[in-house]
Amino acid sequence: DGGITQSPKYLFRKEGQNVTLSCEQNLNHDAMYWYRQDPGQGLRLIYYSQIVNDFQKGDIAEGYSVSREKKESFPLTVTSAQKNPTAFYLCASSPGQGNNYGYTFGSGTRLTVV
Amino acid sequence: GQQLNQSPQSMFIQEGEDVSMNCTSSSIFNTWLWYKQDPGEGPVLLIALYKAGELTSNGRLTAQFGITRKDSFLNISASIPSDVGIYFCAGPKPSNTGKLIFGQGTTLQVKP
Repeated sequence: DGGITQSPKYLFRKEGQNVTLSCEQNLNHDAMYWYRQDPGQGLRLIYYSQIVNDFQKGDIAEGYSVSREKKESFPLTVTSAQKNPTAFYLCASSPGQGNNYGYTFGSGTRLTVV
Repeated sequence: GQQLNQSPQSMFIQEGEDVSMNCTSSSIFNTWLWYKQDPGEGPVLLIALYKAGELTSNGRLTAQFGITRKDSFLNISASIPSDVGIYFCAGPKPSNTGKLIFGQGTTLQVKP
């Protein structure tokens, strides 16, 4: 079955550390996205990529970095520059430009700073 | 920029009750999407609407594409405890990039 997989489900980070969240899809989708969700709030776009080897900042990119070396993979690194990283992170993919069929989301990674 | 405004922000209802929520925009949309997010999981697409006035059902859920193309409604009939979650509306940005705009969500709690 095609889908999008995020790992790990739960992640703990010490202050000052970088951590990388994994996102893999086998839907052959061109576009991939990273969102942050804080308790009781909506989805805020961190980064997105519409094609391999290209990505753009979203609304809250500061303190985060991404890469898109393969179509299937779009890892997100939460750097030590992100002052408040504790949140629920969601990865999504879509067919890309002209898409009116919505996104497919992963099941999320909950990151906690300890 | 474009925004989608959802209301109500949250609802606390008794099992068996019907639920209505809506999503409005100052701009026209050609597609309306409704997602549900279970606690601790990613959102899942419930219903997609592509035509003004369209009414589409998915089990106990019914969604409508407003005739002005600036709003959409989601109704849940005879709510059950597993309806608990956050419901998001979404629509594609007019620039045709494939990116979506999401509403802030309506949080639904159902009391057994």
